Parts: sequence; structure tokens; C-alpha cells
Amino acid sequence: DGGITQSPKYLFRKEGQNVTLSCEQNLNHDAMYWYRQDPGQGLRLIYYSQIVNDFQKGDIAEGYSVSREKKESFPLTVTSAQKNPTAFYLCASSPSSRVGGELFFGEGSRLTVL
Amino acid sequence: AQSVTQLDSQVPVFEEAPVELRCNYSSSVSVYLFWYVQYPNQGLQLLLKYLSGSTLVKGINGFEAEFNKSQTSFHLRKPSVHISDTAEYFCAVSEGGTNAGKSTFGDGTTLTVKP
Repeated sequence: DGGITQSPKYLFRKEGQNVTLSCEQNLNHDAMYWYRQDPGQGLRLIYYSQIVNDFQKGDIAEGYSVSREKKESFPLTVTSAQKNPTAFYLCASSPSSRVGGELFFGEGSRLTVL
Repeated sequence: AQSVTQLDSQVPVFEEAPVELRCNYSSSVSVYLFWYVQYPNQGLQLLLKYLSGSTLVKGINGFEAEFNKSQTSFHLRKPSVHISDTAEYFCAVSEGGTNAGKSTFGDGTTLTVKP
């Protein structure tokens, strides 16, 4: 079945370590996104990519980095510069040719900093 | 800039009762509106969307929403809820086009359906 696969589902990190969250999609969507979700808050955009080898910062990009070397893949690295990385991270995609831009989400990755 | 306000953070309701989850938005351009549902520890899935045309939009699981341009609202309704509707609901707005995925989300409404 087509969809978005995020891994790992749960991840623990010590302070000062970088971690990379994987996001793979087989929907043939052009655009991919990373959102952060904190309890009681909506989703906040970290980075997005409309096309391979190109990406833009979202509203809360500081302390994060991404790459888009393949259409199917959009990994997110949470660096040690991110002050409060404990959160639920959601990857999404959308076919940028589609009017309205509904998002298709993965199951999420929960990162906990010990 | 666009913004979304979900007027209720928590909505408790008894099974088989009707429910309305309220959403107001602001934007300087024409927008597209969405409602997503999130079950615990899962991603979001689309319930329904308004792009254009009829202001009454029907979605999955018996939900519907009405777009009111003059009141800048997009309230979600269901005439009779089930226990399985217990979840977090998010209203979102997007400008579409090349900014299609740059959706702005509300803070969410937790719907709790009690037996």
C-alpha cells in the first residue's frame, strides 16, 4: 500500500547527541514536510521541500537540518543545538500539483531527550 | 499571515449526542480549509476539506463542516458520536498552490465521547 513510513517510532537521546529521523514515501509526491508537535499545541513547520535537492526553512528550523537527495526520502536531523528537542515529529507529503494541498502524514516519531 | 483558532481545547460529550468543534481562521488571501483527526500516538488523517463550491462539506466517519466566509469559520459537526470518535481534532488552513503544504494548524480540540 502507498504511504509514508517514519522510523524509528520511539527514540531516546542523550543531551549533546545528534539524531536522524527517517521519512520515506511511495506516493510519488513532490512535496515533503516535517512538523513538530508538542502537547496541547498544534503542528509547527520545521522544514519543507517542494522538489529534490531543494528545501526551505519553516517556522522553527533552528537546531534542525534536512536533506532531499531522492524524491522518496526526506530525513530530519535533530542537532545538539536544538534546545528542547523532546517532541513528537511528523513527516508529511503532498502532491504539489493538487489544488488545496491536503497533507498525508506518517505515523510519527517520538523523541525523548534523557 | 494566516492563523487558526480552535475555540475549545476539550469537548466532552455522551455517546449518540451531537457535537460541534469550532474553528475560526484569519487570512489575507483566499484559503483552503481542512479538518484532520489524530488518534493517540499516530499521525493525522484527513477528515474533510473545503476548496471551493458548496459551503457544506461532507467527510469520512459521518462528519461534516460548513464554511462561513463572512464569519471566517469552519466548524466541524457530527449528529451522533460514537466512542470511537474519541480523538484529537485539528483545523488547518492553507493558501494552496506552491505553498500547498504550508498549512497552519490550530492547537487542537480533544473530543472525549463518554458511554
